[in-house]
Amino acid sequence: ILNVEQSPQSLHVQEGDSTNFTCSFPSSNFYALHWYRWETAKSPEALFVMTLNGDEKKKGRISATLNTKEGYSYLYIKGSQPEDSATYLCAPHSGGGADGLTFGKGTHLIIQP
Amino acid sequence: DGGITQSPKYLFRKEGQNVTLSCEQNLNHDAMYWYRQDPGQGLRLIYYSQIVNDFQKGDIAEGYSVSREKKESFPLTVTSAQKNPTAFYLCASSPQGGPTNYGYTFGSGTRLTVV
Repeated sequence: ILNVEQSPQSLHVQEGDSTNFTCSFPSSNFYALHWYRWETAKSPEALFVMTLNGDEKKKGRISATLNTKEGYSYLYIKGSQPEDSATYLCAPHSGGGADGLTFGKGTHLIIQP
Repeated sequence: DGGITQSPKYLFRKEGQNVTLSCEQNLNHDAMYWYRQDPGQGLRLIYYSQIVNDFQKGDIAEGYSVSREKKESFPLTVTSAQKNPTAFYLCASSPQGGPTNYGYTFGSGTRLTVV
C-alpha cells in the first residue's frame, strides 16, 4: 500500500484569497498522479491526471504541478470562491494498468464569505 | 446521460446479515472498483475488476465478495465476516487500461449502517 500524505488536513480560506495544498507520494515506480474534488453530497470528480515530471495543468482558477523526482504535487486555487469548498483528494498511480488507485486522506477546504 | 448508479443511498442492516450493494454503469467502461471510506481515512480499495468474469482483491477484501457477470454491473456483498461493516461505500469505473488518462468516474455512494 502506497504512503500518500496530504497537507494540510483542513483549511479555511477567505473568499477571494488564493490557496494551495500538497500531496506527497513515493517517487519510485511512479506512473501518474490524480487529483479529485469531492463536494459534499456529490460524487468525487476528476480534476487532473498528471504523468510527466514538471507537468502543470490548469482548469479555470485551479492548477496543479507535479514533481515526480521528489514525489510531490501542489494544487493551487486562485481567487477562491464558495463553490470551491470541497475535499480535494490526490491519488498516485504506480505501475499503470487498471489495478486501482491509492488515495490520500484529502484536504478539506472551506471558503468563508 | 452516462454515469454510475449506486443503490440504495442509505442501507441499514442487522449485525450478522449479509447485504449487497448495487453498482451499475452505462459508460461502457471495462474496469470497475469498490472503495470504502471511514472517518479520518482515505478511500481504501476493496475489490476491482478489469474485465467481465474476472476480479481481484484490493487492500481490504476480507469479509467482502463481488461478482462481475455483466460489464455494466459490479455488485458488492458485505458478509457477516466483515468485522466493521458500517462505512460509506463508493463504486468507480474507468475505461480499458485503467484510470491513467481520464481518471475514475465515481458513483454517489451508499452509506451502510449495521446495528
